[in-house]
Amino acid sequence: GDSVTQMEGPVTLSEEAFLTINCTYTATGYPSLFWYVQYPGEGLQLLLKATKADDKGSNKGFEATYRKETTSFHLEKGSVQVSDSAVYFCALSDRAAGNKLTFGGGTRVLVKP
Amino acid sequence: EAGVAQSPRYKIIEKRQSVAFWCNPISGHATLYWYQQILGQGPKLLIQFQNNGVVDDSQLPKDRFSAERLKGVDSTLKIQPAKLEDSAVYLCASSSSRDSFNEKLFFGSGTQLSVL
Repeated sequence: GDSVTQMEGPVTLSEEAFLTINCTYTATGYPSLFWYVQYPGEGLQLLLKATKADDKGSNKGFEATYRKETTSFHLEKGSVQVSDSAVYFCALSDRAAGNKLTFGGGTRVLVKP
Repeated sequence: EAGVAQSPRYKIIEKRQSVAFWCNPISGHATLYWYQQILGQGPKLLIQFQNNGVVDDSQLPKDRFSAERLKGVDSTLKIQPAKLEDSAVYLCASSSSRDSFNEKLFFGSGTQLSVL
């Protein structure tokens, strides 16, 4: 079945550091890919998405590129802020699997001033 | 715009007891989802409703879990009887489309259940 694998956290960074969170997937079909973020005390919210190969999703300074050849969707931000401290989830939705949204295990990011 | 509302925020019960969670989706959203998020894991879909009909309940443990969305608006998820392994955060989400392939889901803050 479909699955999403993320790097384990926690990831601890200093402010203005570069952030990368690795995400790889396996899917039966040709999925859409998403990054969701969960800030402390809040619900999950969509950060960005990409629906086809080589698409780049971007939002709030974060970027991720849909790489079909490596089945990856790594999240990057060039200069993190304390307010980026959160748990980040990679996810996919696969038409061949009934469009069910499948999540990775999440990566906790802590940015220190 | 009001978000997805869930209650209660926290619940502590003993094993074999019953518990119910409530969700009110964003107004006008036809699709409602219940997810289970065990500590350290990503959310797992339990059930998906389109209006008041069930679209997918393949991962719902039907011997103990039940859910309903009688009027196509708010929904309740029930566990009876609860087991220790049911300890988790139960998330409700809604979307304006049936198709999560390309659609943004809006999540509530969840109900944290502890089964002792």
